[in-house]
Amino acid sequence: AQSVAQPEDQVNVAEGNPLTVKCTYSVSGNPYLFWYVQYPNRGLQFLLKYITGDNLVKGSYGFEAEFNKSQTSFHLKKPSALVSDSALYFCAVRDRDDYKLSFGAGTTVTVRA
Amino acid sequence: ETGVTQTPRHLVMGMTNKKSLKCEQHLGHNAMYWYKQSAKKPLELMFVYSLEERVENNSVPSRFSPECPNSSHLFLHLHTLQPEDSALYLCASSPSWQGGQEQFFGPGTRLTVL
Repeated sequence: AQSVAQPEDQVNVAEGNPLTVKCTYSVSGNPYLFWYVQYPNRGLQFLLKYITGDNLVKGSYGFEAEFNKSQTSFHLKKPSALVSDSALYFCAVRDRDDYKLSFGAGTTVTVRA
Repeated sequence: ETGVTQTPRHLVMGMTNKKSLKCEQHLGHNAMYWYKQSAKKPLELMFVYSLEERVENNSVPSRFSPECPNSSHLFLHLHTLQPEDSALYLCASSPSWQGGQEQFFGPGTRLTVL
């Protein structure tokens, strides 16, 4: 079985400050890890993924995430948040031997000007 | 979102109606998916198709019936739905269901069951 936990329903930051969205996961084997973002009335947009190799992954719009196997975490970060980063963020995991992609419940990010 | 289209974008139906949701991907992908998104809950995988063959029916009630006539099109046929089926239904595609490829999502159909 596999699962994802996003412990914060909501994250509020000021524009220009660092942004972190937390994600922990559970899989029986080795994971593929993903972050998606959803803007109002839109589908999910892919941000970045960890497949193998370097634990620090860089993605779209200045986002990055660090894979930490010992802590089973894959937190999303951005050094300087923008108001336009306000959206709903989803972490997802898939066991390499499974077809099913499991999502967290999502974290709403609000960046205030 | 670009590359995967869904119609209609909004649908209101009664419990006795029959309707269909349509998804089309223009990316040349071989795998397509239906998800249900309800407020404050994780996305629920409903169906997976690979090269027009159903890989998984994830314990979905029979009032939801998928159809994949070719690798570019995916339908979700709806009949005798319940109010709790009201949600955003998302279609996605990927090059393959295997490997580490990301999925590309459509904008969704907002379904309201009265």
